[in-house]
Amino acid sequence: QSVLTQPPSVSAAPGQKVTISCSGSSSNIGNNYVSWYQQLPGTAPKLLIYDTTKRPSGIPDRFSGSKSGTSATLGITGLQTGDEADYYCGTWDSSLSVWVFGGGTKLTVL
Amino acid sequence: QVQLQESGPGLVKPSETLSLICSVSGGAMNTDYWTWIRQPPGKGLEWIGYKFYSGTTNSNPSLNSRVTISVDTSKNQFSLKLTSVTAADTAVYYCARGVEMADWGQGTLVTVSP
Repeated sequence: QSVLTQPPSVSAAPGQKVTISCSGSSSNIGNNYVSWYQQLPGTAPKLLIYDTTKRPSGIPDRFSGSKSGTSATLGITGLQTGDEADYYCGTWDSSLSVWVFGGGTKLTVL
Repeated sequence: QVQLQESGPGLVKPSETLSLICSVSGGAMNTDYWTWIRQPPGKGLEWIGYKFYSGTTNSNPSLNSRVTISVDTSKNQFSLKLTSVTAADTAVYYCARGVEMADWGQGTLVTVSP
């Protein structure tokens, strides 16, 4: 069982908006930056969001990150079929002294 | 953008040592952390550990000190050694740049089997 909790799956129609939650505790999300990764089928993960809200160069502004307390959220607007992927949150856990990932959320664009 | 490529045996026998190399191109290694992650088939991501080029190392306690990560800036490579492997260590192994893993290799499947 993962230290960070994500919903196993979410779905939405093309063009719509979806959010993916990531719940943790004060030892991880509550006091550290959060990252988000996109893993398209059969490929390596790709960094989407770092430092909770920042996007690496080349990542469209349809992707956004936020945090409140011990939970973080990834938002995706203007959904495209190409966004179908597994999404993982990640952060440092200060108590465990380890980087932790959420269990992953499978996004389906209907 | 930094590019990374994993290499090493795709099959390792139980109780032996898994050894992988990550070759880095497009950037200097002496400015960052270098990270290993793995993903068992059909499962989620597990952080293995990282090493700063100049020495600081941190690895996942769940791997019971079986992990060694080394960085060789002269060869633009870093490596992973995982000792006493079992079937539970079967996974796709990824190398990545940085604590937050900004750039990833394509991954290499390592199967532990007699």
